[in-house]
Amino acid sequence: QQQVKQSPQSLIVQKGGISIINCAYENTAFDYFPWYQQFPGKGPALLIAIRPDVSEKKEGRFTISFNKSAKQFSLHIMDSQPGDSATYFCAASGRNQGGKLIFGQGTELSVKP
Amino acid sequence: DAGVIQSPRHEVTEMGQEVTLRCKPISGHDYLFWYRQTMMRGLELLIYFNNNVPIDDSGMPEDRFSAKMPNASFSTLKIQPSEPRDSAVYFCASSFKPFLDRGGNTIYFGEGSWLTVV
Repeated sequence: QQQVKQSPQSLIVQKGGISIINCAYENTAFDYFPWYQQFPGKGPALLIAIRPDVSEKKEGRFTISFNKSAKQFSLHIMDSQPGDSATYFCAASGRNQGGKLIFGQGTELSVKP
Repeated sequence: DAGVIQSPRHEVTEMGQEVTLRCKPISGHDYLFWYRQTMMRGLELLIYFNNNVPIDDSGMPEDRFSAKMPNASFSTLKIQPSEPRDSAVYFCASSFKPFLDRGGNTIYFGEGSWLTVV
């Protein structure tokens, strides 16, 4: 119930391509789904987040798609750039989590020039 | 603001030694989190504080780990005695309030303390 499952573990995309990372959760009480971006040697930083009252949220080249019935959400990076190469974590939380943010295992994205 | 400040950035210690990791949260933030990151287990929440009070320490792996927050601007995570399996990156993070509101509040992470126990 506490897990957030993320796939793929690693992803290689050509510059200009679309990167897609998927996450699934079990706990129906989750109501906040952020994505974090982590560069080597740095801490994770919030990239974009969504709540289950919308099915999609877009910020620049980054889009979250949310499927409440399937309990899945995904990150799409359009026009992927070498500077997007990083590790991406999905996460989930809810009001019954008392402030906890449950992270997925992470996806290492490499965008080739 | 300087962000969440952690020290040391890197620590190499021998098994059995005491390790103390330090954190200064962002001024005004009243939630502080300690996370551990490893390849095998990803990012795990160890403990978090609200207004200097520990709220949930269920993620602390065992009695060798302890955390304190004596005031709003300082927290420590201590491992005594340290073991090789404690080797990981330890992140401190802070937030103004839980990210559960709709105001865009989020958790801010430090750059981590890279611990190696040999």
